[in-house]
Amino acid sequence: GAVVSQHPSRVICKSGTSVKIECRSLDFQATTMFWYRQFPKQSLMLMATSNEGSKATYEQGVEKDKFLINHASLTLSTLTVTSAHPEDSSFYICSARRPTSGTTGELFFGEGSRLTVL
Amino acid sequence: AQSVTQLDSHVSVSEGTPVLLRCNYSSSYSPSLFWYVQHPNKGLQLLLKYTSAATLVKGINGFEAEFKKSETSFHLTKPSAHMSDAAEYFCVVSLNTGNQFYFGTGTSLTVIP
Repeated sequence: GAVVSQHPSRVICKSGTSVKIECRSLDFQATTMFWYRQFPKQSLMLMATSNEGSKATYEQGVEKDKFLINHASLTLSTLTVTSAHPEDSSFYICSARRPTSGTTGELFFGEGSRLTVL
Repeated sequence: AQSVTQLDSHVSVSEGTPVLLRCNYSSSYSPSLFWYVQHPNKGLQLLLKYTSAATLVKGINGFEAEFKKSETSFHLTKPSAHMSDAAEYFCVVSLNTGNQFYFGTGTSLTVIP
Protein backbone atom coordinates (compact mmCIF):
# COMPACT_ATOMS: atom_id res chain seq x y z
CA GLY A 1 0.00 0.00 0.00
CA ALA A 2 0.88 3.64 -0.27
CA VAL A 3 3.10 5.05 2.42
CA VAL A 4 3.57 8.58 3.63
CA SER A 5 6.56 9.30 5.80
CA GLN A 6 6.58 12.21 8.23
CA HIS A 7 9.65 13.38 10.09
CA PRO A 8 10.45 14.12 12.84
CA SER A 9 7.95 12.24 14.95
CA ARG A 10 8.80 14.30 18.00
CA VAL A 11 10.55 17.62 18.36
CA ILE A 12 11.19 19.87 21.33
CA CYS A 13 12.39 23.39 20.72
CA LYS A 14 12.89 26.64 22.52
CA SER A 15 10.50 29.52 22.13
CA GLY A 16 11.47 31.76 19.24
CA THR A 17 13.15 29.10 17.14
CA SER A 18 11.84 27.59 13.92
CA VAL A 19 11.02 23.97 13.30
CA LYS A 20 10.68 22.16 9.98
CA ILE A 21 8.53 19.07 9.51
CA GLU A 22 8.84 16.98 6.36
CA CYS A 23 6.17 14.91 4.66
CA ARG A 24 7.15 12.49 1.90
CA SER A 25 5.02 10.24 -0.26
CA LEU A 26 7.19 7.18 -0.76
CA ASP A 27 5.51 5.27 -3.58
CA PHE A 28 3.30 7.67 -5.46
CA GLN A 29 3.47 11.20 -6.74
CA ALA A 30 1.35 13.57 -4.74
CA THR A 31 0.41 16.80 -6.43
CA THR A 32 -1.62 17.67 -3.36
CA MET A 33 -0.70 17.31 0.28
CA PHE A 34 -2.56 18.54 3.32
CA TRP A 35 -1.36 19.74 6.71
CA TYR A 36 -3.47 19.33 9.82
CA ARG A 37 -3.22 20.25 13.44
CA GLN A 38 -4.81 18.06 16.06
CA PHE A 39 -5.55 19.07 19.63
CA PRO A 40 -5.98 16.40 22.31
CA LYS A 41 -9.10 14.30 21.86
CA GLN A 42 -10.26 16.37 18.89
CA SER A 43 -10.57 15.85 15.19
CA LEU A 44 -8.06 17.05 12.65
CA MET A 45 -8.11 20.73 11.81
CA LEU A 46 -7.06 21.44 8.24
CA MET A 47 -4.40 24.14 8.19
CA ALA A 48 -3.50 24.31 4.53
CA THR A 49 -3.52 22.55 1.20
CA SER A 50 -0.12 22.22 -0.38
CA ASN A 51 0.06 22.09 -4.16
CA GLU A 52 3.23 21.07 -5.95
CA GLY A 53 4.84 23.98 -7.72
CA SER A 54 2.46 26.64 -6.45
CA LYS A 55 1.59 28.49 -3.28
CA ALA A 56 -0.24 26.71 -0.53
CA THR A 57 -3.87 27.50 0.18
CA TYR A 58 -4.37 28.35 3.84
CA GLU A 59 -7.55 27.89 5.82
CA GLN A 60 -9.14 30.88 7.46
CA GLY A 61 -7.39 31.86 10.65
CA VAL A 62 -4.10 30.13 9.85
CA GLU A 63 -1.19 32.54 9.61
CA LYS A 64 0.73 31.88 6.40
CA ASP A 65 3.79 33.73 7.67
CA LYS A 66 3.77 31.64 10.80
CA PHE A 67 3.29 28.27 9.13
CA LEU A 68 5.38 28.21 5.97
CA ILE A 69 4.57 25.44 3.52
CA ASN A 70 6.74 24.40 0.64
CA HIS A 71 5.86 21.71 -1.89
CA ALA A 72 8.88 21.74 -4.13
CA SER A 73 8.54 18.25 -5.57
CA LEU A 74 5.87 15.67 -6.21
CA THR A 75 7.00 13.65 -3.21
CA LEU A 76 7.91 16.23 -0.59
CA SER A 77 6.07 18.93 1.30
CA THR A 78 7.48 20.75 4.31
CA LEU A 79 5.84 22.72 7.10
CA THR A 80 8.00 25.23 8.94
CA VAL A 81 6.70 26.66 12.18
CA THR A 82 8.49 29.99 12.45
CA SER A 83 9.29 31.73 15.71
CA ALA A 84 7.55 28.98 17.62
CA HIS A 85 5.77 29.75 20.88
CA PRO A 86 4.31 27.42 23.50
CA GLU A 87 0.83 27.84 22.04
CA ASP A 88 2.12 26.23 18.83
CA SER A 89 2.73 23.01 20.72
CA SER A 90 0.51 20.42 19.09
CA PHE A 91 0.32 17.27 17.00
CA TYR A 92 0.81 18.05 13.33
CA ILE A 93 -0.21 15.52 10.68
CA CYS A 94 0.29 15.55 6.95
CA SER A 95 -1.55 13.62 4.29
CA ALA A 96 -0.97 13.05 0.61
CA ARG A 97 -3.74 12.61 -1.91
CA ARG A 98 -3.41 9.75 -4.33
CA PRO A 99 -5.78 10.49 -7.16
CA THR A 100 -8.00 7.81 -8.62
CA SER A 101 -9.62 8.16 -11.99
CA GLY A 102 -13.13 9.58 -11.67
CA THR A 103 -12.89 10.36 -7.98
CA THR A 104 -11.11 12.71 -5.63
CA GLY A 105 -8.80 9.85 -4.71
CA GLU A 106 -7.87 8.89 -1.20
CA LEU A 107 -5.70 10.26 1.54
CA PHE A 108 -2.68 8.59 3.04
CA PHE A 109 -1.45 10.01 6.32
CA GLY A 110 1.92 10.47 7.89
CA GLU A 111 2.54 9.27 11.43
CA GLY A 112 2.32 12.76 12.82
CA SER A 113 4.80 15.08 14.52
CA ARG A 114 4.50 16.03 18.17
CA LEU A 115 5.85 19.56 18.61
CA THR A 116 6.61 20.84 22.10
CA VAL A 117 7.75 24.43 22.44
CA LEU A 118 9.37 25.30 25.75
CA ALA B 1 -23.18 22.06 1.59
CA GLN B 2 -21.24 19.04 2.68
CA SER B 3 -20.88 17.73 6.21
CA VAL B 4 -20.15 14.63 8.20
CA THR B 5 -21.74 13.70 11.51
CA GLN B 6 -20.42 10.99 13.75
CA LEU B 7 -23.30 10.39 16.07
CA ASP B 8 -21.33 9.04 19.01
CA SER B 9 -18.27 10.68 20.47
CA HIS B 10 -17.55 7.60 22.53
CA VAL B 11 -18.51 3.94 22.20
CA SER B 12 -17.68 1.23 24.70
CA VAL B 13 -18.07 -2.49 23.96
CA SER B 14 -16.98 -5.72 25.55
CA GLU B 15 -14.35 -7.82 23.83
CA GLY B 16 -15.96 -10.29 21.46
CA THR B 17 -19.18 -8.29 21.01
CA PRO B 18 -20.20 -6.40 17.87
CA VAL B 19 -19.04 -2.89 17.10
CA LEU B 20 -21.21 -0.21 15.48
CA LEU B 21 -19.82 3.26 14.80
CA ARG B 22 -22.29 5.58 13.13
CA CYS B 23 -21.67 8.14 10.43
CA ASN B 24 -24.14 10.27 8.51
CA TYR B 25 -23.25 12.63 5.75
CA SER B 26 -24.83 15.32 3.67
CA SER B 27 -23.66 16.01 0.18
CA SER B 28 -25.05 17.59 -2.90
CA TYR B 29 -22.93 15.31 -5.03
CA SER B 30 -22.15 11.63 -5.23
CA PRO B 31 -19.53 11.28 -2.52
CA SER B 32 -16.63 9.04 -1.73
CA LEU B 33 -16.66 7.87 1.87
CA PHE B 34 -13.85 6.62 4.07
CA TRP B 35 -13.25 5.30 7.54
CA TYR B 36 -9.87 5.88 9.16
CA VAL B 37 -8.50 4.65 12.48
CA GLN B 38 -6.05 6.52 14.66
CA HIS B 39 -4.14 4.97 17.53
CA PRO B 40 -2.66 7.31 20.18
CA ASN B 41 0.06 9.60 18.89
CA LYS B 42 -0.12 8.07 15.43
CA GLY B 43 -1.32 9.13 12.02
CA LEU B 44 -4.54 7.89 10.46
CA GLN B 45 -4.79 4.52 8.77
CA LEU B 46 -7.35 3.79 6.09
CA LEU B 47 -9.79 1.05 7.12
CA LEU B 48 -12.01 1.06 4.07
CA LYS B 49 -13.51 3.26 1.37
CA TYR B 50 -16.63 3.55 -0.74
CA THR B 51 -16.32 5.05 -4.21
CA SER B 52 -19.62 4.21 -5.93
CA ALA B 53 -19.00 0.52 -6.51
CA ALA B 54 -20.45 -2.12 -4.16
CA THR B 55 -22.44 -0.58 -1.32
CA LEU B 56 -21.12 -3.07 1.21
CA VAL B 57 -17.44 -2.41 1.64
CA LYS B 58 -15.05 -4.73 3.42
CA GLY B 59 -11.94 -3.31 4.99
CA ILE B 60 -8.98 -4.40 7.02
CA ASN B 61 -9.07 -6.07 10.43
CA GLY B 62 -12.56 -7.45 9.91
CA PHE B 63 -14.30 -4.09 9.60
CA GLU B 64 -16.96 -3.37 7.04
CA ALA B 65 -19.33 -0.53 6.22
CA GLU B 66 -22.50 -0.20 4.20
CA PHE B 67 -23.34 2.82 2.09
CA LYS B 68 -27.05 3.59 2.36
CA LYS B 69 -27.95 6.45 0.10
CA SER B 70 -31.57 6.62 1.29
CA GLU B 71 -30.38 7.08 4.86
CA THR B 72 -27.25 9.08 3.93
CA SER B 73 -25.32 6.79 6.24
CA PHE B 74 -22.04 4.92 6.17
CA HIS B 75 -21.89 3.06 9.47
CA LEU B 76 -18.83 1.03 10.41
CA THR B 77 -19.29 -2.43 11.89
CA LYS B 78 -17.30 -5.38 13.11
CA PRO B 79 -18.82 -8.65 14.32
CA SER B 80 -16.46 -9.19 17.21
CA ALA B 81 -14.37 -6.52 18.93
CA HIS B 82 -10.75 -7.14 19.78
CA MET B 83 -8.72 -5.28 22.38
CA SER B 84 -6.49 -3.91 19.63
CA ASP B 85 -9.51 -2.16 18.09
CA ALA B 86 -9.50 0.43 20.87
CA ALA B 87 -8.70 3.68 19.05
CA GLU B 88 -10.20 6.81 17.54
CA TYR B 89 -12.22 6.39 14.36
CA PHE B 90 -12.90 9.09 11.79
CA CYS B 91 -15.49 9.12 9.03
CA VAL B 92 -14.41 11.19 6.04
CA VAL B 93 -16.37 12.36 3.01
CA SER B 94 -15.05 13.73 -0.21
CA LEU B 95 -16.76 15.01 -3.29
CA ASN B 96 -15.63 13.46 -6.51
CA THR B 97 -14.31 16.80 -7.66
CA GLY B 98 -11.58 18.96 -6.28
CA ASN B 99 -9.42 18.37 -3.26
CA GLN B 100 -11.82 18.72 -0.38
CA PHE B 101 -12.18 16.10 2.32
CA TYR B 102 -14.56 16.58 5.25
CA PHE B 103 -13.80 14.96 8.59
CA GLY B 104 -16.20 13.85 11.26
CA THR B 105 -15.42 14.75 14.85
CA GLY B 106 -14.31 11.22 15.64
CA THR B 107 -15.56 8.34 17.77
CA SER B 108 -13.43 6.95 20.54
CA LEU B 109 -13.84 3.19 20.84
CA THR B 110 -13.10 1.49 24.14
CA VAL B 111 -12.97 -2.29 24.32
CA ILE B 112 -13.56 -3.79 27.74
CA PRO B 113 -11.83 -7.09 28.48
